[in-house]
Amino acid sequence: GAGVSQSPRYKVAKRGQDVALRCDPISGHVSLFWYQQALGQGPEFLTYFQNEAQLDKSGLPSDRFFAERPEGSVSTLKIQRTQQEDSAVYLCASKTNTGELFFGEGSRLTVL
Amino acid sequence: GDSVTQMEGPVTLSEEAFLTINCTYTATGYPSLFWYVQYPGEGLQLLLKATKADDKGSNKGFEATYRKETTSFHLEKGSVQVSDSAVYFCALSGRDGGFKTIFGAGTRLFVKA
Repeated sequence: GAGVSQSPRYKVAKRGQDVALRCDPISGHVSLFWYQQALGQGPEFLTYFQNEAQLDKSGLPSDRFFAERPEGSVSTLKIQRTQQEDSAVYLCASKTNTGELFFGEGSRLTVL
Repeated sequence: GDSVTQMEGPVTLSEEAFLTINCTYTATGYPSLFWYVQYPGEGLQLLLKATKADDKGSNKGFEATYRKETTSFHLEKGSVQVSDSAVYFCALSGRDGGFKTIFGAGTRLFVKA
């Protein structure tokens, strides 16, 4: 597609529910990043894929967070047993070989 | 580890005023430096970048110079417009950080007519 597409744009979950957030990157971009952005803060790195390989997951805040990109294109960020502190905007970005990140519009998660 | 510090906002200016948003960084090696912008209701997008010391990135009237001696990458614009109202993020990406991009906290700019 023309840009990075994320779905859903908005998600409200009850505490303890599992959620799955989808990212469809720009076609041909091998690098894909997930970030978490709390209100009024900058994006915080979660994890990074090159093709289907997850090369860095050092930013995932707990083992409730899991990301995959099985065919090297679409990626899914899954959060199990959501907690209120998981409320944030989750951003996906794909990266060119010149280092520029192209961001999706984000998925805003609210955990009640 | 690598980090970025930028001036807190909000910054409020009148149209045609001069803008400076300060950004300093901590990194080993020679990272690439970026300014990203987030307009209301839109996703983050690259504004400008510089990849080595003394490089100047520029776009849409904005400029920033990569200063290794002061580890800074301040954003400037000579005459702001109402349409420049947005949140601006300074960022870096370097080999030692595994090439992930690290962002500052963002600076919100309001420009009034």
